[in-house]
Amino acid sequence: NAGVTQTPKFQVLKTGQSMTLQCAQDMNHEYMSWYRQDPGMGLRLIHYSVGAGITDQGEVPNGYNVSRSTTEDFPLRLLSAAPSQTSVYFCASSAGLSGNTIYFGEGSWLTVV
Amino acid sequence: AQSVTQLDSHVSVSEGTPVLLRCNYSSSYSPSLFWYVQHPNKGLQLLLKYTSAATLVKGINGFEAEFKKSETSFHLTKPSAHMSDAAEYFCVVKPLASGNTPLVFGKGTRLSVIA
Repeated sequence: NAGVTQTPKFQVLKTGQSMTLQCAQDMNHEYMSWYRQDPGMGLRLIHYSVGAGITDQGEVPNGYNVSRSTTEDFPLRLLSAAPSQTSVYFCASSAGLSGNTIYFGEGSWLTVV
Repeated sequence: AQSVTQLDSHVSVSEGTPVLLRCNYSSSYSPSLFWYVQHPNKGLQLLLKYTSAATLVKGINGFEAEFKKSETSFHLTKPSAHMSDAAEYFCVVKPLASGNTPLVFGKGTRLSVIA
């Protein structure tokens, strides 16, 4: 049981490049989400999904796309990277009901130069 | 709208002394509340959670928190700090009535433990 797995752990991009952060969970969780963490800002929600085929925007969705074709996977796409997207990204999942524990991945450190 | 305020961005304590990390929340409903810990360059680990059962919640590593509805607070405490407690701590709220509504994070409190 691996929990929530994120790849890559570290990535450097040039402005304008595209990339996908991968997230997979093996707990059959309905609910998955992506956060970014910036100094002094806590974690801010980018996008989330309440099940396969369903996604919605969070607090800071601009510049990011997501899809949820399977229960297990929830990739985050940066279509044209900008320096403002330099951050640490966390994927999370839970069984979906209020009060259920949220499980986090180890994080992906992204630098856009 | 739901929000979480962590009243201190940085707390410093001596090893062996008590820890108090303060959190206030606002919620239209009776919320679920969580404390998470993040060690440097690591993901977030659940310390404890409140989900409308007992108001005093015990977590891992000797931490506990008390839900006080009248004060809209969920402060995290530990009787005696250990060097390994040095980390970033996040208070998190999740509205009960909204099913799959996402979490709302506080901005975090960095705990330093001095030998």
